[in-house]
Amino acid sequence: GENVEQHPSTLSVQEGDSAVIKCTYSDSASNYFPWYKQELGKGPQLIIDIRSNVGEKKDQRIAVTLNKTAKHFSLHITETQPEDSAVYFCAASSWGKLQFGAGTQVVVTP
Amino acid sequence: GAVVSQHPSRVICKSGTSVKIECRSLDFQATTMFWYRQFPKKSLMLMATSNEGSKATYEQGVEKDKFLINHASLTLSTLTVTSAHPEDSSFYICSAKIPPADTQYFGPGTRLTVL
Repeated sequence: GENVEQHPSTLSVQEGDSAVIKCTYSDSASNYFPWYKQELGKGPQLIIDIRSNVGEKKDQRIAVTLNKTAKHFSLHITETQPEDSAVYFCAASSWGKLQFGAGTQVVVTP
Repeated sequence: GAVVSQHPSRVICKSGTSVKIECRSLDFQATTMFWYRQFPKKSLMLMATSNEGSKATYEQGVEKDKFLINHASLTLSTLTVTSAHPEDSSFYICSAKIPPADTQYFGPGTRLTVL
């Protein structure tokens, strides 16, 4: 089955700086890669996603890149703000099911 | 759009009792819903896939007789934790897909505490 690895597990950034989270996946059949933001005690919220026929996607301060050959994808958050503090999960979809990474705790300090 | 609700948000029950959690898609029809379990500071673990009008598909290691799933309509799936024990205490989260896309939208979660 699919295996998704996510790094780093924690990330502290100064407000205004950029944050990058990286994930790798194992199943070459995976074709959909969403990113979720989860705040404490809440359900995950979809923030951006990318499909295997696209290499990069951007939505305001958030961007995702995908390298199918290397089987890795990354989340980039620019101009970080305190409200970006949360746990971020990457996921890969194989046969309609999502396999999640272990999560990255992002802390943005003012 | 794509709002998923869960009820209750929190439940505390005694060991040996059963608890039902509801998952609703509020503004779309979902032929497929998913149930996840999440332990503190851990990732989401898929428990089962719930398909409207048919039996749920459980992941390896998940007891189907303990975690009963019913997907009776295109907007409602329920998870019943039967004969709950303290080790069943966890955060249970559902999600729903808008067909034919793969995008999953998650509910707010239900915190179950079994005493």
